[in-house]
Amino acid sequence: GENVEQHPSTLSVQEGDSAVIKCTYSDSASNYFPWYKQELGKGPQLIIDIRSNVGEKKDQRIAVTLNKTAKHFSLHITETQPEDSAVYFCAASIEYSWGKLQFGAGTQVVVTP
Amino acid sequence: GAVVSQHPSWVICKSGTSVKIECRSLDFQATTMFWYRQFPKQSLMLMATSNEGSKATYEQGVEKDKFLINHASLTLSTLTVTSAHPEDSSFYICSASEGGSYNEQFFGPGTRLTVL
Repeated sequence: GENVEQHPSTLSVQEGDSAVIKCTYSDSASNYFPWYKQELGKGPQLIIDIRSNVGEKKDQRIAVTLNKTAKHFSLHITETQPEDSAVYFCAASIEYSWGKLQFGAGTQVVVTP
Repeated sequence: GAVVSQHPSWVICKSGTSVKIECRSLDFQATTMFWYRQFPKQSLMLMATSNEGSKATYEQGVEKDKFLINHASLTLSTLTVTSAHPEDSSFYICSASEGGSYNEQFFGPGTRLTVL
């Protein structure tokens, strides 16, 4: 089955700097890659996703890139703010598999003022 | 749009009792719902996948007789933890998807279960 690895496990950045989180996946049939932000005591919130037919997607300060050949995808947060502090999870899914997601282990991002 | 609610948000129960958690999609029809368990500082672990009107599919290692899942309508799924024990204490999160080729899952706020 699919295996998703996520790095780093923790990331501390200065406010205003950029944060990058990287994930790799094992199943070449995976074609949907969402990113979730989870704040303490809350459920995950979808922040951006990308499908395998595109290489990059951007939404304001957040961008995701996908390299299908290398089977890795990354989350980029620019101009980080204290409210970006949270745990971020990447995930991968195979189309028509009922949308079943395989999650990475998560990255604790701390943005210091 | 795409709002998923869970009830209750937290529950404390005695060992041996059963607890029911509800998951509702408020503004869309959820063909498929998922139940996850999350221990502190860990990732989400999928417990089961349920499609409306059919039996849930459980992940390996998840006891179907202990974690009863019902998905009777397109907007409601329930998870019942039967004969709960302290080791069942966890954060339970549901998610909902419209299914088909759209894989987006929208997550509920989670339910914190503490078994004494």
